[in-house]
Amino acid sequence: DVKVTQSSRYLVKRTGEKVFLECVQDMDHENMFWYRQDPGLGLRLIYFSYDVKMKEKGDIPEGYSVSREKKERFSLILESASTNQTSMYLCASRGLRGAPNYGYTFGSGTRLTVV
Amino acid sequence: AQKITQTQPGMFVQEKEAVTLDCTYDTSDQSYGLFWYKQPSSGEMIFLIYQGSYDEQNATEGRYSLNFQKARKSANLVISASQLGDSAMYFCAMREGYNRKLIWGLGTSLAVNP
Repeated sequence: DVKVTQSSRYLVKRTGEKVFLECVQDMDHENMFWYRQDPGLGLRLIYFSYDVKMKEKGDIPEGYSVSREKKERFSLILESASTNQTSMYLCASRGLRGAPNYGYTFGSGTRLTVV
Repeated sequence: AQKITQTQPGMFVQEKEAVTLDCTYDTSDQSYGLFWYKQPSSGEMIFLIYQGSYDEQNATEGRYSLNFQKARKSANLVISASQLGDSAMYFCAMREGYNRKLIWGLGTSLAVNP
């Protein structure tokens, strides 16, 4: 089974801190995604990466950056955390066409609280 | 305009009964894919079922089936014989063309009553 692992389930950080959310997948997937999920707003795409060192902005990239130095790891960086970045963050990876779910597999999520 | 619409914010169903969760979509692409995911309170997004726009038969996966009506642009999820463990949020999502991104609905909260 494909596994997507997010390093933390819960995080509490202070306003202004630099925050790193890590995501690792073990199936050699090219595509990786970071979403945030807020009640009433659904899932919104922050950034995605379609290969090592490649990235594209999603719908809400402001205040975030990403890093993909190795294929298996996709990091989301909050340069200076703010309270409006308190949210649930979900990482996903996507494999090959023909996989049962067309390859989108999610991690367990990280609930980030910025105080 | 919403590309994925889930009109039912919340649904209740009795254990062992069937339930249908609605999803309508809007796209001008001929090639697209529709997904359903389940999100329990633990937070993980669990893939349930996938339907491609060119698939001639409705997708089925165990107790899950997708009622795909292309002309009406609907892709409703049917859960047969509901179980208590089916209580969760359910999300419909769409991939348009060769776009790598998914477009998400706002979800339906399902509660299964014993």
